[in-house]
Amino acid sequence: KNQVEQSPQSLIILEGKNCTLQCNYTVSPFSNLRWYKQDTGRGPVSLTIMTFSENTKSNGRYTATLDADTKQSSLHITASQLSDSASYICVVSVNTGTASKLTFGTGTRLQVTL
Amino acid sequence: EAQVTQNPRYLITVTGKKLTVTCSQNMNHEYMSWYRQDPGLGLRQIYYSMNVEVTDKGDVPEGYKVSRKEKRNFPLILESPSPNQTSLYFCASSLSPGIATGELFFGEGSRLTVL
Repeated sequence: KNQVEQSPQSLIILEGKNCTLQCNYTVSPFSNLRWYKQDTGRGPVSLTIMTFSENTKSNGRYTATLDADTKQSSLHITASQLSDSASYICVVSVNTGTASKLTFGTGTRLQVTL
Repeated sequence: EAQVTQNPRYLITVTGKKLTVTCSQNMNHEYMSWYRQDPGLGLRQIYYSMNVEVTDKGDVPEGYKVSRKEKRNFPLILESPSPNQTSLYFCASSLSPGIATGELFFGEGSRLTVL
């Protein structure tokens, strides 16, 4: 069964600190992996999309890594800001030929405090 | 501005009263999809559409209907809503969800409560 597991479920950090969120998946055949940021009460917004051949991808203070061999990904947030408080969702895409099937993780809820 | 627009954003209704949640995108995207988000379960796909007049079931289609008569619109229909359909619903669109650049654009969500 295709699954995406994220850890931790929730995290509280001080403003200015770094943090790393984890995503493990058991999805096959793998097409790509995405990280989304979802502010409370809003729709998810894409941060990064990585294919099998990409190990690292950055978007400002967000850096995603992918290890396709171990089926793990991480999202590193540098110098956190209050506006980073949100849920971060890992999504893995399976290519079914005619369409892609997206499997969503349940997200990590990040709270950045003063 | 490129966007996916859902209406209504908030709705309280009663069991059995038919309702429609509209979704419209202005990016000329081929692919559109509906998801529901419940605490602890993440986003689950209800229905998706690869193009006009082409729709397919997702993971949790029971109790829902969709139509794709025009490229830009993809309404979600609840013929006879029940309390277990109380949820936060998201519409999303993409040029294509399969290729590396197939970014999925989400609407702002529609919070539905069925009493």
